[in-house]
Amino acid sequence: QVQLQESGPGVAKPSGTLSLTCGVFGGPMSSGNWWTWVRQPPGKGLEWIGEIYHNGYTNYNPSLKSRVTISVDRSKNQFSLKLTSVTAADTAVYFCARADGDYSPLDYWGQGTLVTVSS
Amino acid sequence: EIVLTQSPGTLSLSPGERATLYCRASQSVDSGFSAWYQQKPGQAPRLLVYGASGRAAGIPDRFSGSGSGTDLALTISRLEREDSAVYYCYYYGRSPNTFGQGTKLEVK
Repeated sequence: QVQLQESGPGVAKPSGTLSLTCGVFGGPMSSGNWWTWVRQPPGKGLEWIGEIYHNGYTNYNPSLKSRVTISVDRSKNQFSLKLTSVTAADTAVYFCARADGDYSPLDYWGQGTLVTVSS
Repeated sequence: EIVLTQSPGTLSLSPGERATLYCRASQSVDSGFSAWYQQKPGQAPRLLVYGASGRAAGIPDRFSGSGSGTDLALTISRLEREDSAVYYCYYYGRSPNTFGQGTKLEVK
């Protein structure tokens, strides 16, 4: 049973960088999986941020592409999100999730972590 | 980028009734690359149905998905109070993947 767990600061400063890590438990980060970040502003819907393949290939949401970097560290069984130049609009619950192969739905999710952008 | 528009925004029904939630894509999509999620307050989304007719593990057969062209639908038969939640459609057939804005279902 795969389990995902987000970790990182709950607060980020305006114009600063938001950094989160997702630990993957219950097995190795197998080849063929896509590892994904999704966010949800308070009281609003879900937004797909981007994904990374086991070999490091990435896809990003064009609306965030200039500010987002997703990376993977298979030796630590984790992947990470960095979002630069944050504003209050980036305040959200951030979820990490897994897609089990190309063109697959997100089947396992972390519980989410709230990041507030505030000085 | 494919935009998904869900309707209705809110749906209120009684236990035992049937609910149909709709999701319209801004262009024709392959329903084989679509999915529906259920989200309750304070929880992560839970995968319900995906592909042409797949159901995620542990999801009862009261939940079924369908779709053609630009239109996707989730049908929940024999509603139960525990089905009260927000439901999201999701398309993963073309990057960027995208979610609908959600439909809130109240069963009371």
